[in-house]
Amino acid sequence: KNEVEQSPQNLTAQEGEFITINCSYSVGISALHWLQQHPGGGIVSLFMLSSGKKKHGRLIATINIQEKHSSLHITASHPRDSAVYICAVDKGGSEKLVFGKGTKLTVNP
Amino acid sequence: DVKVTQSSRYLVKRTGEKVFLECVQDMDHENMFWYRQDPGLGLRLIYFSYDVKMKEKGDIPEGYSVSREKKERFSLILESASTNQTSMYLCASSFHGGGHQPQHFGDGTRLSIL
Repeated sequence: KNEVEQSPQNLTAQEGEFITINCSYSVGISALHWLQQHPGGGIVSLFMLSSGKKKHGRLIATINIQEKHSSLHITASHPRDSAVYICAVDKGGSEKLVFGKGTKLTVNP
Repeated sequence: DVKVTQSSRYLVKRTGEKVFLECVQDMDHENMFWYRQDPGLGLRLIYFSYDVKMKEKGDIPEGYSVSREKKERFSLILESASTNQTSMYLCASSFHGGGHQPQHFGDGTRLSIL
């Protein structure tokens, strides 16, 4: 079983919809990362969090350490949000991350 | 802004060739990483370096080696390329500080082995 599981694997939405992507992990962590990968390959770090909630523009990331679960929300989605969103965790004491397989989001106009 | 530059976006090589993928970062990061990304498998760590001349195997090091002679440059070497090494290769770098430092990624190299 993978240590980091994301759901859904694929998500299609209409412009303006509220989007939620979920990440569950089975190991103890010291931090969780959300990354965005656009078609073409480049990956950008969106959030890094170890507790609570962070917000950047229309993106919100939350984490519940007790439940070993994180969510990434996108409000008022737009076609330019179409990308693969990747969850990754640091298991503590390591410089390395463990990655989920990603959620492919398509936002239609 | 941090810049991580990979030498090629697309590369086509033949089976048995020795292949070099180069990565350069301009932010004096201690850590550098090489990943491969395949459909349905996500990002998998090949090798990791936390300092010049230091390296550590990742999850899938077989068939690969690395070189870090200078802090800013991390090279991935396919000793004898095989078709199952056709993949997207991504380099990343970060400051030392555990998982609390974001990793900065290059644009990737799509490598095809014929």
